[in-house]
Amino acid sequence: EVQLVESGGGLVQPGGSLRLSCAASGFTFSNYWMSWVRQAPGKGLEWVANIKQDGSEKKYVDSAKGRFTISRDNAKKSLYLQMNSLRVEDTAVYYCARSITTYEGSGSYEVYFDYWGQGNLVTVSS
Amino acid sequence: SYELTQPPSVSVSPGQTAKITCSGDALPKRYAYWYQQKPGQAPVLVIYKDSERPSGIPERFSGSSSGTTATLTISGVQAEDAADYFCQSADSSATNLWVFGGGTRLTVL
Repeated sequence: EVQLVESGGGLVQPGGSLRLSCAASGFTFSNYWMSWVRQAPGKGLEWVANIKQDGSEKKYVDSAKGRFTISRDNAKKSLYLQMNSLRVEDTAVYYCARSITTYEGSGSYEVYFDYWGQGNLVTVSS
Repeated sequence: SYELTQPPSVSVSPGQTAKITCSGDALPKRYAYWYQQKPGQAPVLVIYKDSERPSGIPERFSGSSSGTTATLTISGVQAEDAADYFCQSADSSATNLWVFGGGTRLTVL
């Protein structure tokens, strides 16, 4: 059974930092792209970042570029999101998601999320 | 930035058919994906690549896409299908921006 378990969330002040972790089990972690998706309270879903199987490619939503860093440790079957310079608008439940990623050519990827963790709340507030 | 547009809400009686639409300019060139989310739970993939159903998803869930509109159809709606439904796709360029629609709340009357 595929399981994704996030940890590391909590309350942080604006401008602060937080590192989220996601422990994977039940599948060969190193064979899959992985992603972070967030959901602000009462709002919709927003893709944040994803990372290739070997960590050689990383992609970010514009609002995360320069502030967030996605990484992975295949030996530990773990995914991470380092979040710096946090803003009030980063307040959300952050989901770790296994990603099915297909290269379509000309630099374009097809991506969807077939398994999700239970989510971890990050609150940015003074 | 690219956007996918969904109706905020859809209401149906048990046993009826619910149709939830998702509009986006790039949908003629990109697949649509659909997720179900119940309160306090993580999203669950219910349709991928426009019309494929993951294992374990009931047959009453189906998907289609034509032109700039993708549609999630739930036939013979049951009370347990009450949830928020989100479509997801990408823009047509190589910007690799993966987006979700705003979500549709399905109410089973």
